[in-house]
Amino acid sequence: QSALTQPPSASGSPGQSVTISCTGTSSDVGGYNYVSWYQQHPGKAPKLLISEVNKRPSGVPDRFSGSKSGNTASLTVSGLQAEDEADYYCSAYAGNNNLIFGTGTKVTVL
Amino acid sequence: QVQLVQSGVEVKKPGASVKVSCKASGYTFTSYGISWVRQAPGQGLEWMGWISVYNGNTKYAQKFQGRVTMTTDTSTSTAYMELRSLRSDDTAVYYCARSGGIMVVPLSYWGQGTLVTVSS
Repeated sequence: QSALTQPPSASGSPGQSVTISCTGTSSDVGGYNYVSWYQQHPGKAPKLLISEVNKRPSGVPDRFSGSKSGNTASLTVSGLQAEDEADYYCSAYAGNNNLIFGTGTKVTVL
Repeated sequence: QVQLVQSGVEVKKPGASVKVSCKASGYTFTSYGISWVRQAPGQGLEWMGWISVYNGNTKYAQKFQGRVTMTTDTSTSTAYMELRSLRSDDTAVYYCARSGGIMVVPLSYWGQGTLVTVSS
């Protein structure tokens, strides 16, 4: 299985919003409501931001939101802050307990 | 609080094997699963597989079938990932992550990572 497709980079000024897409197929993103998003700062482990398309774990700010339409999922970061500068990865359940990650997006806060 | 603490840096020669450990605390180990994910230098995340501590099921990514084995020791709340026939392109940081007990998702807590370097 190929990785899910994400844009390599995205950017925004503090206070603005940025949206990252994650495109897969009807066998993964489009087939199940098990899309997750992770944030990874340089040299650190990934951190779960969103699970099941749009559910935020406790402690994740509501500036982070997720959605899905067809075979494409999206992560929106509202009210960008300096600490949001990081790499973001989507993942999707692909059936039979298989998991696939996206290619990753580097978010820059201008 | 949930913690996953992984073993330290490994340096291996091509053809060798490596076994990385992941000690869990702060939750009921047998109610969940553990996924293993790797990240080559400057690259993205790659899912390697999952073991359910809850029911013993395993699922390996097709790419690693036959070369990886994931096990757990419930007496010490520790998960292990062994990768055999190492190649230079196996050089990566290897992460464990707490996963579902019946389904692989979500990967809700992650270990700090273990750097494995494969070099002659």
